[in-house]
Amino acid sequence: DTAVSQTPKYLVTQMGNDKSIKCEQNLGHDTMYWYKQDSKKFLKIMFSYNNKELIINETVPNRFSPKSPDKAHLNLHINSLELGDSAVYFCASSHRGEGGNTIYFGEGSWLTVV
Amino acid sequence: AQRVTQPEKLLSVFKGAPVELKCNYSYSGSPELFWYVQYSRQRLQLLLRHISRESIKGFTADLNKGETSFHLKKPFAQEEDSAMYYCALEGGSEKLVFGKGTKLTVNP
Repeated sequence: DTAVSQTPKYLVTQMGNDKSIKCEQNLGHDTMYWYKQDSKKFLKIMFSYNNKELIINETVPNRFSPKSPDKAHLNLHINSLELGDSAVYFCASSHRGEGGNTIYFGEGSWLTVV
Repeated sequence: AQRVTQPEKLLSVFKGAPVELKCNYSYSGSPELFWYVQYSRQRLQLLLRHISRESIKGFTADLNKGETSFHLKKPFAQEEDSAMYYCALEGGSEKLVFGKGTKLTVNP
């Protein structure tokens, strides 16, 4: 009954490879996100989708391409991986209620590029 | 532009001592402010938000618009409070901007 689930949890890959991280949420939320947490634990938004439409695209290299086949899924594809891409990637989803916009995070995907 | 500043990268206190994690923000409109906690190698979890004015796990935070601050406080720290704490701001764009985080260590 995991709310926001992402796979794989751990990924070790070589430079130059292409890899994908998948994310699914079963909360019925309209908005989904990808955040990156670097080695210094700094969290920064990468993308946001609302009902399958891209609404936020921060200054992320175009080697990173999000894909949202439906509003419950937001996958992240990374081409030509570089050492600097090593980080933890968090998927999240949100809804706006009386208490404001509440964001729920997945458990993270630890990507190591060697 | 939205900006969140957490001036302390590391904070260490003894069990039972009061703790305050500082957060200052910069935003021209009316922000929504949050505190998120991340225990070791786990997902980020919402701790509290200023709209709710709630107290979770003994933590409270008051929005001070004059000082543009949203400091997180707890009167008596517990060892299980040791974690990374992130202050975050949303300025209406559905985008959460995080501070750089404060690692809290509560020593026995």
